Amino acid sequence: DVQLVASGGGLVQPGGSLRLSCAASTFTFSSSEMNWVRQAPGKGLEWVSYISASGLTTYYADSVKGRFTISRDNAKNSLFLRMDNLRAEDTGIYYCAIRFDHWGQGTLVTVSS
Amino acid sequence: QTVVTQEPSLTVSPGGTVTLTCASSTGEVTSGYYPNWFQQKPGQAPRALIYSTNNKHSWTPAHFSGSLLGGKAALTLSGVQPEDEADYYCLLYHGGARLFGGGTKLTVL
Repeated sequence: DVQLVASGGGLVQPGGSLRLSCAASTFTFSSSEMNWVRQAPGKGLEWVSYISASGLTTYYADSVKGRFTISRDNAKNSLFLRMDNLRAEDTGIYYCAIRFDHWGQGTLVTVSS
Repeated sequence: QTVVTQEPSLTVSPGGTVTLTCASSTGEVTSGYYPNWFQQKPGQAPRALIYSTNNKHSWTPAHFSGSLLGGKAALTLSGVQPEDEADYYCLLYHGGARLFGGGTKLTVL
């Protein structure tokens, strides 16, 4: 059974930084494309970022380009999202997903002073 | 800026059939947009239902189906059950970007 556990969320001031992690319990992690998706309180889903299985190809939503960085460590079955220069509109639950097939429960990020 | 549009809300009777659609502001949705569909219930993470237009996951209930319809991606629920009441989201691939629709709130009443 595939399990994804996201962590690293919390309360941060505008302009601050956070690093989210996602631990995958599947031996296929190193061959799987990964995504981060977020959901603001009471709102819909928003795709944030994609990374290829090798880590060589990444894509970002326009709303986070230049501020967020996606990365992975296949040896540790882990996915990361470095978030810099955070804004209030970045507040929400951040989900990691294998492709878009399997989703974790998410970690809450709150950007507020 | 590309926008993906879904019906904000739909209501269906138990046992009935309902079709949710997903349109792109760039024009006709084709299989090259790899339409995906997701179900989300309150307080839960999204659950994948359909990928690449009409492919079901092993856990997708049999009464869900995906298609292309009138230039849009479509999700049809046949023989709707009370537990199908949820928010449904489509996702389209636009080159490197992946875009979600705004979601459809499905009420079973």
